[in-house]
Amino acid sequence: ILNVEQSPQSLHVQEGDSTNFTCSFPSSNFYALHWYRWETAKSPEALFVMTLNGDEKKKGRISATLNTKEGYSYLYIKGSQPEDSATYLCASIVGATNKLIFGTGTLLAVQP
Amino acid sequence: EADIYQTPRYLVIGTGKKITLECSQTMGHDKMYWYQQDPGMELHLIHYSYGVNSTEKGDLSSESTVSRIRTEHFPLTLESARPSHTSQYLCASSVPRTGFNEKLFFGSGTQLSVL
Repeated sequence: ILNVEQSPQSLHVQEGDSTNFTCSFPSSNFYALHWYRWETAKSPEALFVMTLNGDEKKKGRISATLNTKEGYSYLYIKGSQPEDSATYLCASIVGATNKLIFGTGTLLAVQP
Repeated sequence: EADIYQTPRYLVIGTGKKITLECSQTMGHDKMYWYQQDPGMELHLIHYSYGVNSTEKGDLSSESTVSRIRTEHFPLTLESARPSHTSQYLCASSVPRTGFNEKLFFGSGTQLSVL
């Protein structure tokens, strides 16, 4: 793949459900993988920056893993809460551009 | 808490007008960026700067221009706005490190509508 792709495009879960979504990126010339949370009417906020294959990072109920050899990262949310509702963006370096390329995001809606 | 500010938050303007979108940060970051996002699409990098007097074009061609006369200020200008410029514009900054392994701090964005 030549772009950063995220799936699913949107996700609706019930409060308390655990959920996960995927970011796929080119595995060649990998430098770093970023995850951001973007709540409506607010600024995108960095969650994680991951650089090493096998990296796992955690922030509260949110965690992420990284597989640079196969070009994917998973974001997990344990026990989703309504305040987790947001668009989750991932971004990575693509090819030799040395520029951060964003996916279209996964829109998560958590129903109380 | 990030200290990066964008004004205006919303702007509705007629075709042909000159506009400047303001972006300021108080963190002393050398790297600053402008991203453009259309609904349902990715954030696209349109301009970036590594410091004072440094400006580069991003991966998406844009008719806008930028300047970086002061570290804290990175305004974006459209000389003659057109309806095709209708979009959301996000400013960001980061601490200078090798490559892109430093997180970005984003402003709250400017939603531009050109009639």
